[in-house]
Amino acid sequence: RKEVEQDPGPFNVPEGATVAFNCTYSNSASQSFFWYRQDCRKEPKLLMSVYSSGNEDGRFTAQLNRASQYISLLIRDSKLSDSATYLCVVNVAGNMLTFGGGTRLMVKP
Amino acid sequence: GAVVSQHPSRVICKSGTSVKIECRSLDFQATTMFWYRQFPKQSLMLMATSNEGSKATYEQGVEKDKFLINHASLTLSTLTVTSAHPEDSSFYICSANAGVAKNIQYFGAGTRLSVL
Repeated sequence: RKEVEQDPGPFNVPEGATVAFNCTYSNSASQSFFWYRQDCRKEPKLLMSVYSSGNEDGRFTAQLNRASQYISLLIRDSKLSDSATYLCVVNVAGNMLTFGGGTRLMVKP
Repeated sequence: GAVVSQHPSRVICKSGTSVKIECRSLDFQATTMFWYRQFPKQSLMLMATSNEGSKATYEQGVEKDKFLINHASLTLSTLTVTSAHPEDSSFYICSANAGVAKNIQYFGAGTRLSVL
């Protein structure tokens, strides 16, 4: 079983749609959680950290369920520019990160 | 602006050539940097952890003699792919922890290596 699992997609949605991505992690000792965004042939960029209480940043909402070892990302009012691969990232200890395989999102006009 | 600078962004070389990639932290000191590799349509895989002033820590399956890491200063780590072969063609990315709590990793822009 992979340490961090994501549905690879692609998710094809129209502009303005709401889309949700899920991620599960296997190590219950995981401490920190993040969503990164990666555009084609570019480096990953931090989208947002994920906190236990859930957090929101504009159109993006992240939630964490430690009991189920599950993380989610909700994008409201999708824009064309949201098209990218979204990486679920988990930190177990120290500064080392474990990446999920990514979920590809394509927002269509 | 970028907090981690990586150079070069693109390398095309012949088989057998050694390729050096630099990763610099900008305006902050990074005692630890990380080197990842990403093959097409796959996620990032950690290759090694670069430690300033000491030996790098390599992940299982990564040959330390093939991928030489040098972290000679608090702002620079280098990865040298020795005697590169076509199967080494990949996207190599470095990262370093920054931010107030130093729990956020920022990535260099990556180096796309193509070995002919």
